[in-house]
Amino acid sequence: SAVISQKPSRDICQRGTSLTIQCQVDSQVTMMFWYRQQPGQSLTLIATANQGSEATYESGFVIDKFPISRPNLTFSTLTVSNMSPEDSSIYLCSVTPGDEQYFGPGTRLTVT
Amino acid sequence: DAKTTQPTSMDCAEGRAANLPCNHSTISGNEYVYWYRQIHSQGPQYIIHGLKNNETNEMASLIITEDRKSSTLILPHATLRDTAVYYCIVTRDTGGFKTIFGAGTRLFVKA
Repeated sequence: SAVISQKPSRDICQRGTSLTIQCQVDSQVTMMFWYRQQPGQSLTLIATANQGSEATYESGFVIDKFPISRPNLTFSTLTVSNMSPEDSSIYLCSVTPGDEQYFGPGTRLTVT
Repeated sequence: DAKTTQPTSMDCAEGRAANLPCNHSTISGNEYVYWYRQIHSQGPQYIIHGLKNNETNEMASLIITEDRKSSTLILPHATLRDTAVYYCIVTRDTGGFKTIFGAGTRLFVKA
């Protein structure tokens, strides 16, 4: 199993600013995933982050907008850059230490 | 990964079994069926997964048809706390994989 914490749990930000979301896992994992969940929608995968290499982004997501760091096997950050109201979502990180995927509690971001 | 089709929503009476169907007619031989659920304002939670055989754990049972083109998640005695969105996912790998979520089924358990 894996226990995941995220900071901040929620934030309200002004358009044009950036927010960095932290994800901490209680065990070492090779791959970490970042998802976005817009209001009333399902989860959408943003990118996959391996330690020691560049993150792999899904279609529709780019590094300039969502830079990701993965400095070690238990930690990752996702930055939402130059925010607009359309970026208002819940952002979740996730890991797969075994057969199961575990998710953090999410960061609820509101952009005004 | 194969696509899945689930009903948009379902109702279930508290204490009764909740049977959530999922169609995955294009599933290939090496793909697993996974179920997750998301209770309001929480991250998704793993429930169960299987390849060919039926599976049971402390949360639920997974029934996969012989041709593997569909499956059913069974919550044997639904409670109000089981009200959530349930996601059926088909994926090639059991570890280190990325999970692509569909729309899921919104299950309402009513008293």
